[in-house]
Amino acid sequence: AQSVSQHNHHVILSEAASLELGCNYSYGGTVNLFWYVQYPGQHLQLLLKYFSGDPLVKGIKGFEAEFIKSKFSFNLRKPSVQWSDTAEYFCAVYGGSQGNLIFGKGTKLSVKP
Amino acid sequence: DTAVSQTPKYLVTQMGNDKSIKCEQNLGHDTMYWYKQDSKKFLKIMFSYNNKELIINETVPNRFSPKSPDKAHLNLHINSLELGDSAVYFCASSQGWGTPSGNTIYFGEGSWLTVV
Repeated sequence: AQSVSQHNHHVILSEAASLELGCNYSYGGTVNLFWYVQYPGQHLQLLLKYFSGDPLVKGIKGFEAEFIKSKFSFNLRKPSVQWSDTAEYFCAVYGGSQGNLIFGKGTKLSVKP
Repeated sequence: DTAVSQTPKYLVTQMGNDKSIKCEQNLGHDTMYWYKQDSKKFLKIMFSYNNKELIINETVPNRFSPKSPDKAHLNLHINSLELGDSAVYFCASSQGWGTPSGNTIYFGEGSWLTVV
């Protein structure tokens, strides 16, 4: 069965610090990978996605993620975080056999001004 | 225009009541979903419909019953509400199911259900 692991439960950074959130998945077939963000009290918004092609994917708000197939990883990065990036971040995998998104448990990011 | 809209956004109700959450998408998608987010923020699929047909039905109490009158709507009805049903319920949709082009899932704004 597919699963997604996010290693960091809560990350606290100061503004302008660099960010990397880890995500590993388990699925042997072709996967589509996503990062969603959930700002406090709001719904899930798509940050970026990987389907195929260039493994370095750029998303909205300066975020990017790199798909490393050999490591089953899809880590999220941002070179310089802002206070407004404070949110919960979810990694998700879509494998056709299950027909839905499997989410990681989320990483809470707190950015101190 | 809201792509995936669900109502109500907030719902506080007593144990034992029956309630419904409605969802509509105007994206022309074929597939719709209900996800539950618990107090620890964990998101889990509950149901998925493709062209009005149920295709995913996870281990959910049968007090939860989805209904899809057409492709654009997927409502969730909950009977005999229990304290443990308190959660945020997200409706979502995607263009297709099981196909690469349809794998981006768009979420509604969530319905915060509190059972007291």
